[in-house]
Amino acid sequence: KQEVTQIPAALSVPEGENLVLNCSFTDSAIYNLQWFRQDPGKGLTSLLLIQSSQREQTSGRLNASLDKSSGRSTLYIAASQPGDSATYLCAVTKAAGNKLTFGGGTRVLVKP
Amino acid sequence: NAGVMQNPRHLVRRRGQEARLRCSPMKGHSHVYWYRQLPEEGLKFMVYLQKENIIDESGMPKERFSAEFPKEGPSILRIQQVVRGDSAAYFCASSPTLSNTEAFFGQGTRLTVV
Repeated sequence: KQEVTQIPAALSVPEGENLVLNCSFTDSAIYNLQWFRQDPGKGLTSLLLIQSSQREQTSGRLNASLDKSSGRSTLYIAASQPGDSATYLCAVTKAAGNKLTFGGGTRVLVKP
Repeated sequence: NAGVMQNPRHLVRRRGQEARLRCSPMKGHSHVYWYRQLPEEGLKFMVYLQKENIIDESGMPKERFSAEFPKEGPSILRIQQVVRGDSAAYFCASSPTLSNTEAFFGQGTRLTVV
């Protein structure tokens, strides 16, 4: 059974510092991995999708890497801003059309 | 292109009543997934549907819960005889095709059972 873990559970940084969020999964046979952002009381916003054949994806200040063999993904957010404060979730799928298995999330606070 | 639409956003039900949660996927998306987020817990998969078919319901509680995605209209998650433990945020996600599985989520329905 796939298990997804995100460490740390919470992170507080001063504005301008780079953020590094970690995600690990127990079964390396994944189809893709997706990073989401969730604001309090809101839905999930898709940030980046990495196919299993890819090593990384970039969008603006966000960069996500994937090391399938070691079961790890890292989300980097450069030059953090208070607006980046949110919970970040990673999720994996086992096969096309398959359900997402989520980690518990990392709650990020960027202090002005 | 509107996103995934869920309604109602908030729903209050007394114990024993029925709750109906609706989800309209993004235009052109034929795959719908329902997830539940219990207070202080992570998101858990409930059910995966395509038009008129339930593909995977391995995450659905055995009793009181059902889901459908008819040929016309939104997907419905139905909870009969609600109990306090059903209080949670219920999220719907859609994806366009079997091979493109990037999931797009709605804003969720927050169910409170009193």
